[in-house]
Amino acid sequence: EIVMTQSPATLSVSPGESATLSCRASQSVNNNLAWYQQKPGQAPRLLIYGASTRATGIPPNFSGSWSGGEFTLTISRLQSEDFAVYYCQQYSNWPSSFGGGTRVELK
Amino acid sequence: QLRLQESGPGLVKPSETLSLTCTVSGGSIRSTSFYWGWIRQPPGKGLEWIGSMSYSGSSHYMPSLKSRVTISIDTSKNQFSLKLSPVIAADTAVYFCARHVVGIGLYYFDQWGQGTLVTVSS
Repeated sequence: EIVMTQSPATLSVSPGESATLSCRASQSVNNNLAWYQQKPGQAPRLLIYGASTRATGIPPNFSGSWSGGEFTLTISRLQSEDFAVYYCQQYSNWPSSFGGGTRVELK
Repeated sequence: QLRLQESGPGLVKPSETLSLTCTVSGGSIRSTSFYWGWIRQPPGKGLEWIGSMSYSGSSHYMPSLKSRVTISIDTSKNQFSLKLSPVIAADTAVYFCARHVVGIGLYYFDQWGQGTLVTVSS
C-alpha cells in the first residue's frame, strides 16, 4: 500500500497571503493525485485531480503542481473560507490512499 | 444536481453489524463512468477508503477491511449500502458515501454525502 505523507501538519497563514502544502508518495503515482478541502462538520470537497486540474467550480486561486514525485497545492490570496484541512489522495495504485492532512489555520 | 444522503443507526453494539444506506438523487446510479463508494473518518483523524462498487456489481475493498465489509447496490431504489461486521470500538467514525470516478482504474471522489456518525459502544 502506498503511504502518502503531507507536510506541514499545520500551516498558520494570514488572510491575503499564500499557502503552500506538500504531499509525497512512498512510491511513484505519476500524476494520479487529488486534493480535497474539508471544513469542520462537512464532507471533503474535491479541489484538484490529475495533480493539476481544478474540479468544477473551484476558483483559480487553488492550483496544483507536481515535480519529482512531490505534489504541491498552492492557495493564493487566502480568504477566511479557505481555512480548513486539506487532504491528498493517490489513485495510481490499488488500494487508493489518503494523506494525513494539513490544517491551514489563521495566523 | 447530484445529491448523496447517508442513513442508518448512529449507535451499534460491539460484535454486531453496522448497516448504512446511501440514497442517490438528481442522477442515476446506473453509469459506467462511476463506482459508488464508502469512506470513513474516525473522530479527529484522517480519511480511510472502505470500498467501492459499480452498478453492475463489480467491487473493490480495502484489504484490511475486506473480511468484514460488504457493499451492495439496489438500482431500482438508486441506493447502495454498506455492511461491516463484526464491529469493534475502532470502527467508530463518520461514514461518508461518495461517487467514485473511474477510468482505467478507480480514481477520485467527486461527489460526497454529508456523512453520518456511527458510534460503536455497548
